[in-house]
Amino acid sequence: EVQVAESGGDLMHPGGSLRLSCAASGFTIANHYMTWVRQAPGKGLEWVSVIFHAGATRYADSVKGRFTISRDTSTNTVFLQMNDLTAGDTAIYYCARVGEGWFDPWGQGTLVTVSS
Amino acid sequence: QSALTQPASVSGSPGQSITISCTGSSSDIGAYDYVSWLQQFPGQAPRLLIYDVTNRPSGVSNRFSASKSGNTASLTISGLQAEDEAHYYCTSYTRTDTPWVFGGGTKLTV
Repeated sequence: EVQVAESGGDLMHPGGSLRLSCAASGFTIANHYMTWVRQAPGKGLEWVSVIFHAGATRYADSVKGRFTISRDTSTNTVFLQMNDLTAGDTAIYYCARVGEGWFDPWGQGTLVTVSS
Repeated sequence: QSALTQPASVSGSPGQSITISCTGSSSDIGAYDYVSWLQQFPGQAPRLLIYDVTNRPSGVSNRFSASKSGNTASLTISGLQAEDEAHYYCTSYTRTDTPWVFGGGTKLTV
């Protein structure tokens, strides 16, 4: 079964750093685009970052320069390193396999709370 | 403000049909046939409902259909059921530095 599972969410202070993980199973991340999408409490979905199968990366303007997406193909895991966290980064962070016209599957999400 | 515009809410009675619109621009919806729709129940992760504008993944009811015209995509749910009550999000691939954009989401009340 094709699945992804996020982990690493936590309660953080502003300015802190956190690394999220997304473990994939049932497929090889090296052959696919992998993305992070976040959802602030009570709000809609916001695209955050993508790592393409060739390794190129892209970021939303809201996180550019602070977040870094990476992957470890040996463990089939995608990461999101988040630095200089602000209250605006508080959200559930979802990992998903993505194609141009689809996002599937989605993980259950991991909650990041940034508060003083 | 979301890049794609959806109505905040729609409602319908059981058995009726409803349509949710998703309006973008020539840089996203109008540029490619890469629109997808997601369904999200409270407290759950989103689930893919429609991909590549009109296609349903295996397991999705044929009561869900979708289309696109110009810069606007639409999701139609026919034969509404109480279990369809959820949030629905559209998303599109774009030709900008931001590869994907989402709509703000539409809450469906049955």
